[in-house]
Amino acid sequence: AQSVSQHNHHVILSEAASLELGCNYSYGGTVNLFWYVQYPGQHLQLLLKYFSGDPLVKGIKGFEAEFIKSKFSFNLRKPSVQWSDTAEYFCAVNEDSSASKIIFGSGTRLSIRP
Amino acid sequence: GAVVSQHPSRVICKSGTSVKIECRSLDFQATTMFWYRQFPKQSLMLMATSNEGSKATYEQGVEKDKFLINHASLTLSTLTVTSAHPEDSSFYICSAWDFNTGGQFFGPGTRLTVL
Repeated sequence: AQSVSQHNHHVILSEAASLELGCNYSYGGTVNLFWYVQYPGQHLQLLLKYFSGDPLVKGIKGFEAEFIKSKFSFNLRKPSVQWSDTAEYFCAVNEDSSASKIIFGSGTRLSIRP
Repeated sequence: GAVVSQHPSRVICKSGTSVKIECRSLDFQATTMFWYRQFPKQSLMLMATSNEGSKATYEQGVEKDKFLINHASLTLSTLTVTSAHPEDSSFYICSAWDFNTGGQFFGPGTRLTVL
């Protein structure tokens, strides 16, 4: 069965600091990978996704993620965070087939000190 | 872009009553929809996969007789929480698969509070 691990439960950074949130998945086949963000009181939004091709994926709001197949990892990065990035971040995976269910990691709460 | 709506956004009910939550894909047809629940400060847990015109597929540990799912059309799936109890209080989120774009789009969620 698929699983997703996010090892950082809560990350606290100052504005302008660099960010890297870890994500590892467990699945033997081909997968699609996602990062979602949930701002306080709002619903899930897709930050970026990887289906195939360039393993370095750029998303919205300056976020990027790198798929390293050998490490089963899909870490999220941002070179300089802003206070408005305070949110919950979820890594997710689904099988590389049509309409397959998405499995979410436990989430990482990011708090940015102004 | 693809939009998924949920109704109601919030519902408060008494213990023992049933509550129906609707999930609609507004500008695309969705043969497959998914239902998740999210407890406070926790991740989304998949409850079931809803397929248009057929029975839903439930994840392990989810009671199918308690959480009734109906996907009667290509744009609507409903989740009915039967005989709700306080422990069913949660945030219920649906997503819909857009075959044309190959993406899943999430609804805004429904907060259920059972008194």
